[in-house]
Amino acid sequence: AQKVTQAQTEISVVEKEDVTLDCVYETRDTTYYLFWYKQPPSGELVFLIRRNSFDEQNEISGRYSWNFQKSTSSFNFTITASQVVDSAVYFCALSGPSGGYQKVTFGIGTKLQVIP
Amino acid sequence: DGGITQSPKYLFRKEGQNVTLSCEQNLNHDAMYWYRQDPGQGLRLIYYSQIVNDFQKGDIAEGYSVSREKKESFPLTVTSAQKNPTAFYLCAIENGQTTGELFFGEGSRLTVL
Repeated sequence: AQKVTQAQTEISVVEKEDVTLDCVYETRDTTYYLFWYKQPPSGELVFLIRRNSFDEQNEISGRYSWNFQKSTSSFNFTITASQVVDSAVYFCALSGPSGGYQKVTFGIGTKLQVIP
Repeated sequence: DGGITQSPKYLFRKEGQNVTLSCEQNLNHDAMYWYRQDPGQGLRLIYYSQIVNDFQKGDIAEGYSVSREKKESFPLTVTSAQKNPTAFYLCAIENGQTTGELFFGEGSRLTVL
């Protein structure tokens, strides 16, 4: 079975602070994909990143960075110098052959509030 | 504009009534999905379709039905058999080049009175 755990349900930070959103996953697959999505108040989810399980290099995209550690089954997301526009619900997700790559398993989401 | 269109954005229904949520896409993608979002539960997969005239049950298909008669359309019917239908429903298509990368519509919020 596939499972994604986002233990932080809500986080509040003051603008310009750094914040890390945690994601821990469980899967019996040796090959799988991990994702992060952002859901702003408008409601539609926006794809942020996909990582292949074979690629453990950290990735940086502007103020966003992702730390993938297979040893701890974690795929954490850090926002540097947070801004009010970062306020949203962030979902970590997983797909792999045992669940069917088409069936993406989502965590419950972490609501981030950035206070001006 | 290219993309995914869900309608209606808000819908109210009386208990015992069926209701159909529309999802249309003009991006010519094959795979389409319906998810349900409830507070504290994240997104759960209801149905998905990889190709016209074919669809598969997701994790919570009971009380729902779908059809895929055209590539661009994947309507979801919430039937009276769905015991707790009040939720936010999201339609998505999959980027054909990247497995698991989903493009979502703006969602439809269904409230049962």
